[in-house]
Amino acid sequence: QQPVQSPQAVILREGEDAVINCSSSKALYSVHWYRQKHGEAPVFLMILLKGGEQKGHEKISASFNEKKQQSSLYLTASQLSYSGTYFCGTGSNFNKFYFGSGTKLNVKP
Amino acid sequence: NAGVTQTPKFQVLKTGQSMTLQCAQDMNHEYMSWYRQDPGMGLRLIHYSVGAGITDQGEVPNGYNVSRSTTEDFPLRLLSAAPSQTSVYFCASRSGYNEQFFGPGTRLTVL
Repeated sequence: QQPVQSPQAVILREGEDAVINCSSSKALYSVHWYRQKHGEAPVFLMILLKGGEQKGHEKISASFNEKKQQSSLYLTASQLSYSGTYFCGTGSNFNKFYFGSGTKLNVKP
Repeated sequence: NAGVTQTPKFQVLKTGQSMTLQCAQDMNHEYMSWYRQDPGMGLRLIHYSVGAGITDQGEVPNGYNVSRSTTEDFPLRLLSAAPSQTSVYFCASRSGYNEQFFGPGTRLTVL
């Protein structure tokens, strides 16, 4: 039920780009992306809905391939504040919503 | 607008004790859920509710009970605490397919 994320960890220098992937074995209605800092609750980044609708922060971009049940989060020109663990969450119906195991991103100066 | 609130923030229990983790939201969201997060792991769905009086199980429901008598409140009960239930518990709410709002979490240790 849980989506699979890759890679598990990424180390970047400030200004570099990264892509985080999320895939599911089930047909999806929606994909959510969240970032969690150590000791804090997850914070919303973006939603991608079946049919192409997207809602989220301006500086974050993502894609959703409905046919392949895959989503990718694109982090460009990374900043130190981007460090944290990124989770994708997927819903194959309205009710049950599952999160992946996370991708740990470390941005260094 | 307080968002999603959780109490307590920290709790230590002995094996076999029971307790209730409280969760409340003031956004009139119909959907509420409980997740647990073990160290270095993702969020696993315990139970969820799609409205007052309607609850269902998630991935890891054993050892936990929930009820939803009002739109605002969604308490999680640990029936007989076990060391395997040591974790951080997050409550979340949303409206429709929109973003989930998370509470600050409850850090539970079972000795």
